[in-house]
This record gives sequence, structure tokens and C-alpha cells, in this order.
Amino acid sequence: AQTVTQSQPEMSVQEAETVTLSCTYDTSESNYYLFWYKQPPSRQMILVIRQEAYKQQNATENRFSVNFQKAAKSFSLKISDSQLGDTAMYFCAFSRTNAGKSTFGDGTTLTVKP
Amino acid sequence: DAGVIQSPRHEVTEMGQEVTLRCKPISGHNSLFWYRQTMMRGLELLIYFNNNVPIDDSGMPEDRFSAKMPNASFSTLKIQPSEPRDSAVYFCASSLTSGYNEQFFGPGTRLTVL
Repeated sequence: AQTVTQSQPEMSVQEAETVTLSCTYDTSESNYYLFWYKQPPSRQMILVIRQEAYKQQNATENRFSVNFQKAAKSFSLKISDSQLGDTAMYFCAFSRTNAGKSTFGDGTTLTVKP
Repeated sequence: DAGVIQSPRHEVTEMGQEVTLRCKPISGHNSLFWYRQTMMRGLELLIYFNNNVPIDDSGMPEDRFSAKMPNASFSTLKIQPSEPRDSAVYFCASSLTSGYNEQFFGPGTRLTVL
């Protein structure tokens, strides 16, 4: 079974600074997908960024980027130029290719301070 | 697309009453998921359907919980009888199994059982 571990329950960062959220996972699969979801105080869960395991290039979406280390089974999220609206809980998730469900981590609560 | 639609958004009921939560997935998606989120237990997968068929209901806490998906555009999660410990936010999500498997979440139903 796959497991996803987010070792930082809470983090904070000053506005305009950069922060990195950690995620590690365990799987015997060779191809899979990894995701970061954001859940702001409004509680609506939205996808931030995704990565396909067979792609070596790290995914980027504007201020959000990942550091995908397949051998180390690590998938960290970097948020650059942090904004107050980035305050949220962030979930790392794993999904096997063509599988139905995803495995979610316990989440990291990020607070961006003015 | 309207996204995943859940109703009601808030439900307050008394212990022992029946509660029915509703979900309309994104058109074309073939997988549907029910999650429960609490401070104590985080995000838990209760059950998921693929092509309207329940695939994994191992997360359903007990026989008081039941879920149905009579067609591709509608699902219900029923709690009968409800108990105060069922108080939580319940999310419905849908995805397309082929491809990225990323899940699209509804806004959630906040259930309070008094």
C-alpha cells in the first residue's frame, strides 16, 4: 500500500518570502502521479500542481514549483513570493496510473504573515 | 462547468435523525469519492465509486453509513441514525480515472449533530 508523509504539521512564512513544504511517499510502482492540493479557510480544496513520475522535469505553475526526487521518493512544494492568499492547508497526494483513488498526506498548515 | 455540486452546504440535526448528503459530480467523470474531514482524524476516504459501482468502502466507519450512486450524475451519503461524533465536513470529489486522476472537490457539507 502507498503511504504519503508530510512531516511539517504547521509552517509560517513572511509575505514575499519563499517557503518549501515537504512530502515523502512510499510505493513500489514505477509510474504514478503526485499532486499538491490547497485548502484555504473557505475549505474548498483545489489542485495546485501535479507531477508525472516518468517526467524528470519539475512541474511549475506560476509561483508554485516542485522538487521531485524520484529515487528519494520526495516531492516538495516551493512557494515563491508568498502572498497572504496562500494561507491554507496543503495536502500532498499520490495516485497510481489509471487507478481510482489517491492517497493523501495529513496536510501542512501554512500561514503567511504580513 | 459548474464543478462538483454538493447539497446541503450546512446541516444541523439532532442525534438519532437520518441525514442525507447529496453530490453531483462533474459531467464525464467516472470516479466519485466521499471524504470526511475532522480536526482529530484529518481527511478520511469513506468510499469511492467507479462507473457507479462501489469499489472500496473500507473507510465507511460503521453500518450507520451507507452510500449509493444510482447513476453517473448523482450520489448520496446517508447516516442513519446520526450521532454527535459524526459531526464533520463531508466532501464529495470526482475524477476521470484515465489520465492524471486528479480529483475535483465539491465545497463540502458541514454537518453538526447535536
